[in-house]
Amino acid sequence: ILNVEQSPQSLHVQEGDSTNFTCSFPSSNFYALHWYRWETAKSPEALFVMTLNGDEKKKGRISATLNTKEGYSYLYIKGSQPEDSATYLCAHNRDDKIIFGKGTRLHILP
Amino acid sequence: DAGVTQSPTHLIKTRGQQVTLRCSPKSGHDTVSWYQQALGQGPQFIFQYYEEEERQRGNFPDRFSGHQFPNYSSELNVNALLLGDSALYLCASTPGLAQDTQYFGPGTRLTVL
Repeated sequence: ILNVEQSPQSLHVQEGDSTNFTCSFPSSNFYALHWYRWETAKSPEALFVMTLNGDEKKKGRISATLNTKEGYSYLYIKGSQPEDSATYLCAHNRDDKIIFGKGTRLHILP
Repeated sequence: DAGVTQSPTHLIKTRGQQVTLRCSPKSGHDTVSWYQQALGQGPQFIFQYYEEEERQRGNFPDRFSGHQFPNYSSELNVNALLLGDSALYLCASTPGLAQDTQYFGPGTRLTVL
């Protein structure tokens, strides 16, 4: 993996269901992995910054895990709510630059 | 506590023109980074300013230039606009050069006709 890749590109989830999506990144020269939530017509908002292999972070119903050796991070949302509808971006620190993935667009269905 | 602000919100220009976008960082932040987000893409790093100097640069041509002022605010200038420069331009700030969590502004939507 040379770039930051996110999957799936888009996701439709029924309200109340749980979901997760993936961020893959180059495992060499790892410094930090960031997750952002970007709601329509708003600024991207930081969710987590993760630096250590095995890190797990949690914020309410949202949590994330990190595997720096294999180069991936998962974002989990438990009991999806309409306000979770947004694009979720991950970003990787490399060579003093922050490289973003294309994001996962999450739609919560009522 | 004011967050990151950007101006203008929207801008329409024609090919060949020049444009200047402005950003004020979050209070207490002295590092400003600029990103371009084209349709269907993630934000692409343009450059970063710290202590009024360009510290890092992404893969963008020299038509893209910037400036940082003593009050840490920043400008992004794009010369000889191309249709492909149409995008959302995001500004983000951090305290110092450490690659910590960035605080983003709402962006400037540039349309080149």
